[in-house]
Amino acid sequence: DTGVSQDPRHKITKRGQNVTFRCDPISEHNRLYWYRQTLGQGPEFLTYFQNEAQLEKSRLLSDRFSAERPKGSFSTLEIQRTEQGDSAMYLCASSTSGMVGYSNQPQHFGDGTRLSIL
Amino acid sequence: KQEVTQIPAALSVPEGENLVLNCSFTDSAIYNLQWFRQDPGKGLTSLLLIQSSQREQTSGRLNASLDKSSGRSTLYIAASQPGDSATYLCAVLPTLYSGAGSYQLTFGKGTKLSVIP
Repeated sequence: DTGVSQDPRHKITKRGQNVTFRCDPISEHNRLYWYRQTLGQGPEFLTYFQNEAQLEKSRLLSDRFSAERPKGSFSTLEIQRTEQGDSAMYLCASSTSGMVGYSNQPQHFGDGTRLSIL
Repeated sequence: KQEVTQIPAALSVPEGENLVLNCSFTDSAIYNLQWFRQDPGKGLTSLLLIQSSQREQTSGRLNASLDKSSGRSTLYIAASQPGDSATYLCAVLPTLYSGAGSYQLTFGKGTKLSVIP
């Protein structure tokens, strides 16, 4: 049973560069979520996909951030023109929708991508 | 806006002790509450999920309770072991029509637990 996989685990880049992260959810999970976590804080929601449709976006997701899930399987999160404040752990989670539309299925998290901006 | 608070921020106990971690939330319009464990530099591992209609859930040495009306949940760990050392986070999912963003978990900052051998 493979869990949620994220790549890369660590990314170090200079301010102003673009970065892209990838998330592969658990294979039968149709829901995918991105969160951001800074040191000493709990994760904060960024965006949510059901299959390939992006259904929710947080106000934290500025226009420098874009997320895609083109075939309803893996997802990418791109940050353009990175800033110091983007340094964080970016976490991906997935879940099933269960028997009923709104779900009591738990969200399963990957190990995250740690982004450091120099 | 939902706010989740976890007290204490850090806790150190000797091995073998039973302990309780606390979680409170300001908006009782929740669909469920999840407890997670996070090891340093790692992602989150789901421990227990309590539906809003439930009072408690148990898994092995872990027992989580939920009092939705008072906005509180507790995670009870029995006979603690050094391997239980980690940060424990609680998170709530809002009800579908609360207007809060239906699928986004709101997390507390966590309680860092150290179990001393």
